[in-house]
Amino acid sequence: SAVISQKPSRDICQRGTSLTIQCQVDSQVTMMFWYRQQPGQSLTLIATANQGSEATYESGFVIDKFPISRPNLTFSTLTVSNMSPEDSSIYLCSVGVEGGGEQYFGPGTRLTVT
Amino acid sequence: GEDVEQSLFLSVREGDSSVINCTYTDSSSTYLYWYKQEPGAGLQLLTYIFSNMDMKQDQRLTVLLNKKDKHLSLRIADTQTGDSAIYFCADFHGGKLIFGQGTELSVKP
Repeated sequence: SAVISQKPSRDICQRGTSLTIQCQVDSQVTMMFWYRQQPGQSLTLIATANQGSEATYESGFVIDKFPISRPNLTFSTLTVSNMSPEDSSIYLCSVGVEGGGEQYFGPGTRLTVT
Repeated sequence: GEDVEQSLFLSVREGDSSVINCTYTDSSSTYLYWYKQEPGAGLQLLTYIFSNMDMKQDQRLTVLLNKKDKHLSLRIADTQTGDSAIYFCADFHGGKLIFGQGTELSVKP
């Protein structure tokens, strides 16, 4: 299994500001993912972040709004830029093996934008 | 695109069995998953099943997969109040997980 930590665990931010969320894994992984869970909703994939390449964004998500870094095989960051109240969600980091198999999630970052 | 459907609510008595159902549309699924989310927490991987399997058992959990009907179920034996949570079914499709809406399981003493 993989143990994933995220920082911060929660934050309250003013609209128009940006927040960078960190994801740390206790082992080297190829594939890392960032998901969003809006209040009372299911999870939606924002982007896939593989080390050494540009992140791949899903439809409806763009790099200017959600820039991602993946500097090594155990760490990634997601920035939520120019925030609005609609960005209030839980943001979760996930890791997995290529082709499926075990897919683990971090504890999430609970973001409230006022 | 791929779709995963679950019923939204299930209520059971403590000690009974719970069965949470899920349907999916992807005929080329490789892995299907069950996750548990307790209030204020992240997602806990409960179990997953490879598509060439019909059943997987892990202690109180039994997963049944009917590929013909594209139906996945999670049975929790001897359900306890600590099992109260939201359970998400997910399909690994196109290199990513596609989630259902989640089933809120309420266990009454």
